[in-house]
Amino acid sequence: AQSVTQLDSHVSVSEGTPVLLRCNYSSSYSPSLFWYVQHPNKGLQLLLKYTSAATLVKGINGFEAEFKKSETSFHLTKPSAHMSDAAEYFCVVSGYSSASKIIFGSGTRLSIRP
Amino acid sequence: DSGVTQTPKHLITATGQRVTLRCSPRSGDLSVYWYQQSLDQGLQFLIHYYNGEERAKGNILERFSAQQFPDLHSELNLSSLELGDSALYFCASSLRDRGNTIYFGEGSWLTVV
Repeated sequence: AQSVTQLDSHVSVSEGTPVLLRCNYSSSYSPSLFWYVQHPNKGLQLLLKYTSAATLVKGINGFEAEFKKSETSFHLTKPSAHMSDAAEYFCVVSGYSSASKIIFGSGTRLSIRP
Repeated sequence: DSGVTQTPKHLITATGQRVTLRCSPRSGDLSVYWYQQSLDQGLQFLIHYYNGEERAKGNILERFSAQQFPDLHSELNLSSLELGDSALYFCASSLRDRGNTIYFGEGSWLTVV
């Protein structure tokens, strides 16, 4: 069985400061992990994905995430927040087994303070 | 632009009516997924089709149905609409039926009045 937990429903940071959005997963198999971003009234855009290659994954817009198997985590980070980063972020887990489904986290709303 | 096309972008209809939402997946993708996003329930998985066959069902109401056609486009049919069906409906596609990156369309806004 697979599951994903986004530990914070809302994160607020000041512009120019680091961003950390936390995600923990559970999977019986080697998972594929993704982060998506959704700006208001828009579709979900792929930020980055992990598929068992390098554990540190770089994505678009300066975001990156590190796969830590021992901690079953896939936290999303960015060194310096920009106002345009304000959006909803979803952590997603998928697998390769026949019983696997694509599981979405509940989302984290990121707010940026000027 | 993800390459996934959804129509219509916006739709307003009355309770009790029926609507059809259409989705064209990215070129070459065989899987199509439908999701419903509302303020109170968040992002809900509805159904997954792969190469014309239903692969997985989520929280899809009996009043809703979907199909994937031989040209791989998909339609989501919503009938006997209720106020609570007002939501953003997303289609997504992926290359195969498991383990792949899924790409989302911009969504179809449905308002039931």
